[in-house]
Amino acid sequence: NAGVMQNPRHLVRRRGQEARLRCSPMKGHSHVYWYRQLPEEGLKFMVYLQKENIIDESGMPKERFSAEFPKEGPSILRIQQVVRGDSAAYFCASSPAQSNTGELFFGEGSRLTVL
Amino acid sequence: GDSVTQMEGPVTLSEEAFLTINCTYTATGYPSLFWYVQYPGEGLQLLLKATKADDKGSNKGFEATYRKETTSFHLEKGSVQVSDSAVYFCALERDSGGSNYKLTFGKGTLLTVNP
Repeated sequence: NAGVMQNPRHLVRRRGQEARLRCSPMKGHSHVYWYRQLPEEGLKFMVYLQKENIIDESGMPKERFSAEFPKEGPSILRIQQVVRGDSAAYFCASSPAQSNTGELFFGEGSRLTVL
Repeated sequence: GDSVTQMEGPVTLSEEAFLTINCTYTATGYPSLFWYVQYPGEGLQLLLKATKADDKGSNKGFEATYRKETTSFHLEKGSVQVSDSAVYFCALERDSGGSNYKLTFGKGTLLTVNP
């Protein structure tokens, strides 16, 4: 029973390039959440998506960041024109319905390094 | 804003030793409190939680008590095993209209248990 799958596990980009991070939720889960962990900080909520809908993007930076969860395929977190401050671990989580218990199922994270 | 402060790691113990990982929080209202654990090569998973003052969460021999007077939720285990080696994250969720997915995490504490 596969858990939440994230890829790539490690991604290196130069300043100005684009980064795409993918997340496949657990089987039977239709709700996806993205979190970011900056160096020396805790994980912070970015965005909550259901299939084809962004439900809550209150934690997303206003520029360069976007997320989608298409009808088919994984959820994608896209960062355009990356800067050094985007270097972080990006965690995806899923739940079978909107979490009302605080229990989210996380992937191992994707570590982005911007040179 | 909300914040979680947890004990700096890494923590190294011998098997069967007593474990305490301290966690304190700052939040308005009455947040729910969580401990998540990330074993090597896996994603974060919920270990235990408490939703109101004086509640005790417990799982796999771990316990934590929600102390509102000291705004703390320290994680304890009486006798650790090598298999407990992992990163432990303290987190809170301040319910805002049913959105129980915006967790605020601490930085994580790496625990290594030696045989």
